[in-house]
Amino acid sequence: AQSVTQLGSHVSVSEGALVLLRCNYSSSVPPYLFWYVQYPNQGLQLLLKYTTGATLVKGINGFEAEFKKSETSFHLTKPSAHMSDAAEYFCAVSEASGTYKYIFGTGTRLKVLA
Amino acid sequence: GAVVSQHPSRVICKSGTSVKIECRSLDFQATTMFWYRQFPKQSLMLMATSNEGSKATYEQGVEKDKFLINHASLTLSTLTVTSAHPEDSSFYICSARVVGGATYEQYFGPGTRLTVT
Repeated sequence: AQSVTQLGSHVSVSEGALVLLRCNYSSSVPPYLFWYVQYPNQGLQLLLKYTTGATLVKGINGFEAEFKKSETSFHLTKPSAHMSDAAEYFCAVSEASGTYKYIFGTGTRLKVLA
Repeated sequence: GAVVSQHPSRVICKSGTSVKIECRSLDFQATTMFWYRQFPKQSLMLMATSNEGSKATYEQGVEKDKFLINHASLTLSTLTVTSAHPEDSSFYICSARVVGGATYEQYFGPGTRLTVT
């Protein structure tokens, strides 16, 4: 069965520092990959997605992620953290066939220190 | 575009009563809608997948008689939590897939916070 692993349930960075949130998936077939952000008591906002094509994907708010098939990874980065980036981040995968349902990782709570 | 709404945003009900949560696609038609459940500080767990005019498909371990899903139109799906108990308190989020859109694309609603007292 498909699974998603997010290493680090909590990550703290200083304002202006690099943000790196890790996501690994298990699939023999490259799936579709997504990163979402969730603010307290709110729904999910799509940051970026990988479907096909260029493996480096740019999203909103300065985030980007790189799909690495050999490492089955889709890590999320941002060069310079802002206080407003503090939130919960979820990596999700969707199989590229069948029901296309999403499997979510356990989430990483990002804290930005002043 | 592709806005999904949920109503209510928050609901408090007494143990033993039923509560209905609506999920609407506001500016598109949805072939498929998904219902997720999120416990505090945890991830989203898919509960069921519903297609318009069909019975919902429930994930393993989800009680279909407790969580009734109806997808009567291409813009509305409802989740009814029957005989609610405190352990059903959770954040319920729906998502929708656009008719004719990318099969991998889901648009998420803002969520409904259910508290059972």
